[in-house]
Amino acid sequence: KAGVTQTPRYLIKTRGQQVTLSCSPISGHRSVSWYQQTPGQGLQFLFEYFSETQRNKGNFPGRFSGRQFSNSRSEMNVSTLELGDSALYLCASSLAGWQETQYFGPGTRLLVL
Amino acid sequence: QKEVEQNSGPLSVPEGAIASLNCTYSDRGSQSFFWYRQYSGKSPELIMSIYSNGDKEDGRFTAQLNKASQYVSLLIRDSQPSDSATYLCAAVGPGTYKYIFGTGTRLKVLA
Repeated sequence: KAGVTQTPRYLIKTRGQQVTLSCSPISGHRSVSWYQQTPGQGLQFLFEYFSETQRNKGNFPGRFSGRQFSNSRSEMNVSTLELGDSALYLCASSLAGWQETQYFGPGTRLLVL
Repeated sequence: QKEVEQNSGPLSVPEGAIASLNCTYSDRGSQSFFWYRQYSGKSPELIMSIYSNGDKEDGRFTAQLNKASQYVSLLIRDSQPSDSATYLCAAVGPGTYKYIFGTGTRLKVLA
């Protein structure tokens, strides 16, 4: 069974631009979570989607948004990029959500200049 | 703010020794706990999950959970240089769908 895939793997943007990252979960998984990972803050929860509905959201500004499609694929968008948004963005999928193992994708490394 | 805390390390152990990694969590309602390993430049991969008080063993790995004291630990027996990585502890509260991760403990196994 194929694992979680994320595209693109690397991205360089400039301040003020916006970016869209994509995540395809493991086949049959309906829950997708997004995380931001930085050296100083570790893994920070962004949001979680299940059946196209956002069920939980972390403490990030409104510039960070996401959505999930009917095939469980998910996208996250960051508008008006700031230097501090440079990070590894990871998505993780699970069958249905809490108490279940999450499987992580390889991540998208975003550099904002 | 619900938190999961880990000592950042590095924790250095000689090859063949037991590595002991600890994690405490603040949300007493947390019910599910996970240990992930993350190699430098890679994404986290699951080592173990634990839901009930006590020990759970899987090969060289043993996870321990004590809900009364709000701590989770991971023991790695016969540590190998290939175990050198950052170990992340995560806790999930009931019905929150939100996994709270610690900042990780960096483990170095010395050959």
